[in-house]
Amino acid sequence: DTAVSQTPKYLVTQMGNDKSIKCEQNLGHDTMYWYKQDSKKFLKIMFSYNNKELIINETVPNRFSPKSPDKAHLNLHINSLELGDSAVYFCASSQTPVQGNSYNSPLHFGNGTRLTVT
Amino acid sequence: AQSVTQLDSHVSVSEGTPVLLRCNYSSSYSPSLFWYVQHPNKGLQLLLKYTSAATLVKGINGFEAEFKKSETSFHLTKPSAHMSDAAEYFCVVSDPGKLIFGQGTTLQVKP
Repeated sequence: DTAVSQTPKYLVTQMGNDKSIKCEQNLGHDTMYWYKQDSKKFLKIMFSYNNKELIINETVPNRFSPKSPDKAHLNLHINSLELGDSAVYFCASSQTPVQGNSYNSPLHFGNGTRLTVT
Repeated sequence: AQSVTQLDSHVSVSEGTPVLLRCNYSSSYSPSLFWYVQHPNKGLQLLLKYTSAATLVKGINGFEAEFKKSETSFHLTKPSAHMSDAAEYFCVVSDPGKLIFGQGTTLQVKP
């Protein structure tokens, strides 16, 4: 199936641990994103990559480090997890990045990874 | 910077009745606007988009939205709600380099 797939679907871990979330898209898109959805369902962009190059970093703590080995993959590594990191993390992709105030290429989202830090 | 406000956090309708989800935006120039839907435990799916073409935009599943510059609104409507429409709906505005999501509106559809 053509899609954006992210693993794992659920991730429960303790404070201080390091964890990774993987994302892959087989849509042939050039741009990939990570979004964070908090408990109030508010969605905020964290990162975006275009052809493996970082183009958006939205004041995310250094403990979060995205890695894009190729344009079909964008993984998210989180060091020293904190309680406040608990959220649902969504990977997404699009054909072209958002440019200026014009954006025509829809985002395709994965099904999310629910991270719970205890 | 652009912003978007969804005026209702929760909307409840009966099956077969019209749906109206309200969205106001703030933009210093002509924006691109979108509606996304999120079903439980799923990712977001694009319903429709406005990109300065026709002001009345038709989307999937019978939804449509009208861009009204004078009112800075982009309300989402559907003539007749179906049980499968129950979900979270997000109004989205483009900002240089990224998309800005509204707070979301939960649509409940009662039998």
